[in-house]
Amino acid sequence: AQKITQTQPGMFVQEKEAVTLDCTYDTSDPSYGLFWYKQPSSGEMIFLIYQGSYDQQNATEGRYSLNFQKARKSANLVISASQLGDSAMYFCAMREGPGNFGNEKLTFGTGTRLTIIP
Amino acid sequence: DVKVTQSSRYLVKRTGEKVFLECVQDMDHENMFWYRQDPGLGLRLIYFSYDVKMKEKGDIPEGYSVSREKKERFSLILESASTNQTSMYLCASRTKQRGALETQYFGPGTRLLVL
Repeated sequence: AQKITQTQPGMFVQEKEAVTLDCTYDTSDPSYGLFWYKQPSSGEMIFLIYQGSYDQQNATEGRYSLNFQKARKSANLVISASQLGDSAMYFCAMREGPGNFGNEKLTFGTGTRLTIIP
Repeated sequence: DVKVTQSSRYLVKRTGEKVFLECVQDMDHENMFWYRQDPGLGLRLIYFSYDVKMKEKGDIPEGYSVSREKKERFSLILESASTNQTSMYLCASRTKQRGALETQYFGPGTRLLVL
């Protein structure tokens, strides 16, 4: 079974609209972390936002927020007021385990290609 | 700012050649990772290292080896390159801290073409 599922291979969104990128995960570990990364056409992966499994509140970073629904095992990325520069691939990733040891790996989803239309 | 650099952005090699991909980070991170990225498959972990001379296999280690002789440098080696190793290779590093600080920082990637 896939540990991270991103069901939207591609999305087209009008500039200035809000966009939600879906991510569901599968783990039996009570302690885990969820990450979103952006990959522009240049290829470099850029960290956007992090949510810990025990965090009570949804994470926010500027225009990015993470809609964390633990019971549904869902961690959707919400981008408010989209901009042309938001066009990129977006990856959801999960770290299982408490993260204390530093050697836990990330498992990535297959990504969503977001295109912002002027 | 964390900086992770990779030795080449683009590389063309022939089948059977030995290929070295080098990654250097300047933030004294303990952990370093090598991924390959293929369309429709996302990023898949090849190997990672949590200390000098330490390494662990990731999800797809076959056909690859790694070397970490110094903390800042992590090398990926293709002993005998094959066409199915044509891919984008991404190096990453992170600290041992928890939470958002544990995020992995990525290099710019190396696009490898094996002919």
